[in-house]
Amino acid sequence: EPEVTQTPSHQVTQMGQEVILRCVPISNHLYFYWYRQILGQKVEFLVSFYNNEISEKSEIFDDQFSVERPDGSNFTLKIRSTKLEDSAMYFCASSVREGLGGELFFGSGTQLSVL
Amino acid sequence: AQKVTQAQTEISVVEKEDVTLDCVYETRDTTYYLFWYKQPPSGELVFLIRRNSFDEQNEISGRYSWNFQKSTSSFNFTITASQVVDSAVYFCALKKYTGANSKLTFGKGITLSVRP
Repeated sequence: EPEVTQTPSHQVTQMGQEVILRCVPISNHLYFYWYRQILGQKVEFLVSFYNNEISEKSEIFDDQFSVERPDGSNFTLKIRSTKLEDSAMYFCASSVREGLGGELFFGSGTQLSVL
Repeated sequence: AQKVTQAQTEISVVEKEDVTLDCVYETRDTTYYLFWYKQPPSGELVFLIRRNSFDEQNEISGRYSWNFQKSTSSFNFTITASQVVDSAVYFCALKKYTGANSKLTFGKGITLSVRP
């Protein structure tokens, strides 16, 4: 069964460093998303991406964040200068369409720890 | 603004008990989607069900059933004859019906512990 793949599963970084979280969405999906979950809290929307551009972003997704689809298969989230409060589980998701049938399929997440 | 409330934070049951997880939502949209996701201890988010707002028919899938009541803005999830493997955090979520890339709004989740 096709699935969303995220690498790495765990990432430890020093405050101020840049990190890139990688995702391979399901191959025929067209809509891509990043969500995050701070430990013990709810899952929060960060950004959605379609047709090679951001279509919606939350207030969390400030100038320190960027997304990219560098080739036909990968979807990345970059945090330019990490802060302690960026420590969270980051989920990538994809969907084949909007509207009917547009449920999101999530990856297993990348646990980011900023020290 | 959209909002999902899962008032129960933690539920503990003994195996084979039935358990209902509550979800209440707020939205100004007349059409929307509701979802339940399961997050087992391994951390991934597993899709369980999607319900369209214009379809109030309740759904059963094995030991799982969902009760959608538009009049009370609730979308409750019942696990019948619970098993230890059902132990997880369960999230209810809301999504606009239309609009490109409309985001999922999650509740805070309910931690379900099923004891042998």
